[in-house]
Formats: sequence, C-alpha cells, structure tokens
Amino acid sequence: AQSVTQLDSQVPVFEEAPVELRCNYSSSVSVYLFWYVQYPNQGLQLLLKYLSGSTLVESINGFEAEFNKSQTSFHLRKPSVHISDTAEYFCALLRGGQNFVFGPGTRLSVLP
Amino acid sequence: NAGVTQTPKFQVLKTGQSMTLQCAQDMNHNSMYWYRQDPGMGLRLIYYSASEGTTDKGEVPNGYNVSRLNKREFSLRLESAAPSQTSVYFCASSEGLQHPSDTQYFGPGTRLTVL
Repeated sequence: AQSVTQLDSQVPVFEEAPVELRCNYSSSVSVYLFWYVQYPNQGLQLLLKYLSGSTLVESINGFEAEFNKSQTSFHLRKPSVHISDTAEYFCALLRGGQNFVFGPGTRLSVLP
Repeated sequence: NAGVTQTPKFQVLKTGQSMTLQCAQDMNHNSMYWYRQDPGMGLRLIYYSASEGTTDKGEVPNGYNVSRLNKREFSLRLESAAPSQTSVYFCASSEGLQHPSDTQYFGPGTRLTVL
C-alpha cells in the first residue's frame, strides 16, 4: 500500500525566514510526487511536481522540492517566506494508472 | 476557461435529507473525482470516474452515489444525509489515469453541514 506522511500539522514561521515542510512517502514502485497549496476558503492548486529527471523542482513563486529516493522524501522549501504564503500545503503521490494519495496537510502560518 | 466549477458553495441539511452536489469542467478532461476534506485527514477519495460512462468507489464511498452525466459533468448525491457527512467536498478533474504524470485540477469546494 502507498501512503504519504506529513509529520508537521502546523508550522509557524516569521516573515522572511526560511521554511521546510516535510513529506515522506512509502511505495514499492516508482511514483510521481506533487505539492498542492490550499489558500483559505479555496480549492487546491498545483504548486510543483516531480515526474522524472532532475530531482530538484521549482515553482514560480520561489518554492522548491527535492526528490530523495533513498530517503523516500519530497520536502518542500522556501528560503524566505511572505505573509501571502500562509496556506495549507498537501503532499501527494501518484502511481501510474492509480489514484492520488494525499498526505494530511501542513498548515503554514507566516507571522509578521 | 472556468476550469472546475462546483455548486452550491455552501449547504446546510437536516439529518435524513438528500441533496446533489454538482461539478463541471471545461478542460475536456477524461477523469473526474470527488473528495471530502476533514481536519487532520487530508483529502479522501469518495468516488471517481476514469472516463465517461464509468464510475468506481474510492476510499470512503459509503453513503454516497455518483453520476457521470457526460464528459463535462460529475455529480455526487447524498441520499440520506448524516452528521458524519459534514465536510468540505471537492471535485477534481484530470486528463486521465492512463497518463503517467496526471495532474488533478480542483474546484473551489462545497461546504456542507448536516445538523
């Protein structure tokens, strides 16, 4: 069975500080990995995804995630957060031909 | 393109009442999904439709039914609502499960309260 773990349910951080949101997965086969962001009272939006190739993927708003196969991780990072990054972040995996499996989410709160 | 749209945005039901949540997408996607989101549990798949004319159960199908009316529309029905179905419901669509890098696009959600 596949699963996604996000150990931190809430992460408070001050504006302009760096942040890392952790995601670990378990799967016996190759998977594709995604990060989705959900702003208050909105649906989920794709932030970035790892399909193949370079293990470091970036989003247009400064987030990046690194796929680490040996540690089965896909942690999300940003070197300097803004108030507008306050949201809930979901890690998800997809195995070809199967359905998405979502993690429980991490609520990022950026404090002034 | 409107993407994925859902109606209604909010709904309050009494226990035992029925209702249908509507979802439509204009991206010509083959696959559509219904999720529920509860605090601390992430998103859980209720039902999905891999292609027009097919529907399958997800992780938490009990108490729900679905209809893939056509390629654009996928509705979720609660026949006899229960307080445990109080949740936020999201519809999503994707190009198709046969695509290895399938990305899902989500609607804005329906917030349902069952009293």
